[in-house]
Amino acid sequence: NAGVTQTPKFQVLKTGQSMTLQCAQDMNHNSMYWYRQDPGMGLRLIYYSASEGTTDKGEVPNGYNVSRLNKREFSLRLESAAPSQTSVYFCASSLLRGPGSNQPQHFGDGTRLSIL
Amino acid sequence: DAKTTQPNSMESNEEEPVHLPCNHSTISGTDYIHWYRQLPSQGPEYVIHGLTSNVNNRMASLAIAEDRKSSTLILHRATLRDAAVYYCILSNTGNQFYFGTGTSLTVIP
Repeated sequence: NAGVTQTPKFQVLKTGQSMTLQCAQDMNHNSMYWYRQDPGMGLRLIYYSASEGTTDKGEVPNGYNVSRLNKREFSLRLESAAPSQTSVYFCASSLLRGPGSNQPQHFGDGTRLSIL
Repeated sequence: DAKTTQPNSMESNEEEPVHLPCNHSTISGTDYIHWYRQLPSQGPEYVIHGLTSNVNNRMASLAIAEDRKSSTLILHRATLRDAAVYYCILSNTGNQFYFGTGTSLTVIP
């Protein structure tokens, strides 16, 4: 099973360029998430989508937009990339969103993004 | 939001048990405790989770303090493949995860 698939795996951008990171899951999960991980740190939530048609901000949403295209796909867009957005980006999905909040999240292998 | 505190690093000998501690003194009554681990160049991998009672699965055991202000992940026999960064995470009713900086586990052959 593919699980959570992220594309591309690596990308280098120049400051000011735009970019869309793609994420797809094949587990029929309802909720999807975008995180960023900076060197030596844990993951921080950027945006999430509790179900198809809804999106909400996480801890660090500034400079990003998201689209829940359908149940399978959740994309993250950088409209005008900045060096501070150099990071590894992870997409995740879970079967359900709260109130139980006991659902494991399944993560992709990440997109390594460098902005010069 | 509730936060977790973990030691930066720990070492264990191969085939010995490992106890990875986590403090979460501001945990709320509805927060679940999750443990994930991350190998280099990979996304985090689910290990175990619980609310109040101790939990066991094929990978590990989770011991939760009676006041829920701390927990311990127990790997019963460490192998070289268990070398990773282990994250203790609290999730709220929206299933949003709050990661700390994790514990880097080194397993010595």
